[in-house]
Amino acid sequence: GAVVSQHPSWVICKSGTSVKIECRSLDFQATTMFWYRQFPKQSLMLMATSNEGSKATYEQGVEKDKFLINHASLTLSTLTVTSAHPEDSSFYICSAANLGTSGYNEQFFGPGTRLTVL
Amino acid sequence: GQNIDQPTEMTATEGAIVQINCTYQTSGFNGLFWYQQHAGEAPTFLSYNVLDGLEEKGRFSSFLSRSKGYSYLLLKELQMKDSASYLCAVRDSNYQLIWGAGTKLIIKP
Repeated sequence: GAVVSQHPSWVICKSGTSVKIECRSLDFQATTMFWYRQFPKQSLMLMATSNEGSKATYEQGVEKDKFLINHASLTLSTLTVTSAHPEDSSFYICSAANLGTSGYNEQFFGPGTRLTVL
Repeated sequence: GQNIDQPTEMTATEGAIVQINCTYQTSGFNGLFWYQQHAGEAPTFLSYNVLDGLEEKGRFSSFLSRSKGYSYLLLKELQMKDSASYLCAVRDSNYQLIWGAGTKLIIKP
């Protein structure tokens, strides 16, 4: 399967600071990238869907001004958590897909980024 | 609303067989996925079903009945490393993945 990387793999920051998480598709062009958040012992929660070159589509209840998503190229999407607070501490996972080329448009997941806000 | 149901937790013995069920009610259907997720890691793809029937892949098999809104993941010859959460996800008419809460599988020696 295709390889998706995330950076950093973990980050600890102070409350009020901003954190940027990168998601890269290493060996294919991702027309669409998805950002998920997962709290302990809970399922994945889709935060937003981003298509290359256009604005992200946010899920209900996700603040677009707090979670800034940029998908400037077919291999890179970034999620910036602005003015992070302890309740933003979570496991953030991105996935990438090239819709239209594979038989079933599989999503390939990055390894995740664990964010801890103090 | 859209809903995916799967058991919260299951326990099985090493070497045995376990079946994890998933029922769904979604706005349209464009395929059902099973993912494995070890604690602290991202999900990894296991299987995909879009037509009724059984898909076999090594020790893992996945079954789908679209008329019943039902799928199961069958794991044979269980190994300790199979201890993980198993996530069922359905792609709806908007091609969005709807996720189940996951089934935590505990394997005992």
